[in-house]
Amino acid sequence: GAGVSQSPSNKVTEKGKDVELRCDPISGHTALYWYRQRLGQGLEFLIYFQGNSAPDKSGLPSDRFSAERTGESVSTLTIQRTQQEDSAVYLCASSRQGTVRSNQPQHFGDGTRLSIL
Amino acid sequence: DQQVKQNSPSLSVQEGRISILNCDYTNSMFDYFLWYKKYPAEGPTFLISISSIKDKNEDGRFTVFLNKSAKHLSLHIVPSQPGDSAVYFCAASAGTGNQFYFGTGTSLTVIP
Repeated sequence: GAGVSQSPSNKVTEKGKDVELRCDPISGHTALYWYRQRLGQGLEFLIYFQGNSAPDKSGLPSDRFSAERTGESVSTLTIQRTQQEDSAVYLCASSRQGTVRSNQPQHFGDGTRLSIL
Repeated sequence: DQQVKQNSPSLSVQEGRISILNCDYTNSMFDYFLWYKKYPAEGPTFLISISSIKDKNEDGRFTVFLNKSAKHLSLHIVPSQPGDSAVYFCAASAGTGNQFYFGTGTSLTVIP
């Protein structure tokens, strides 16, 4: 497709379960970001992938959060043993290059709305 | 610690008038700033950006102004249109890092 695709669009799960969120970036985009947006708050950086470099995981809030990316394609964000405070919209974005240095804007997916019961 | 702040959660403007959205930041290392627009249930869409070497960037109806000494930027939309009704986020980055820091957003309503 032409844009960043995220799935599922909505996920409701019970506290304590693991969830996996998927992001398909725009073809040719080497940089990929995950963000979280809690209700009434701004976007919170989680993790950044750039090509084959080691990811920047400095935004991950706890060791229950992890993310993988295969080459320059799909990325998955996994949250283990979910807690109610994990409820948020999880947004993925991609850009042509390392966004900050190249001043390339990010293109966002529509997000996954995660609700933990 | 919120490094990028949008202190107005909402703004209402009459169609045809100017909309001015404000953003303040605290980190003097920020050198690249962006505005995003977000409709409900959609991801943010890039609108306009500005580098710290400039103090103004214009794209059609949208102009971003940067005041580095005040650590303040603003987005001007003129004339405002009903389709501009959305949440607007400002974001900032420092050239040495990988992160963008986002404000909490301002919800703009343009009244027909």
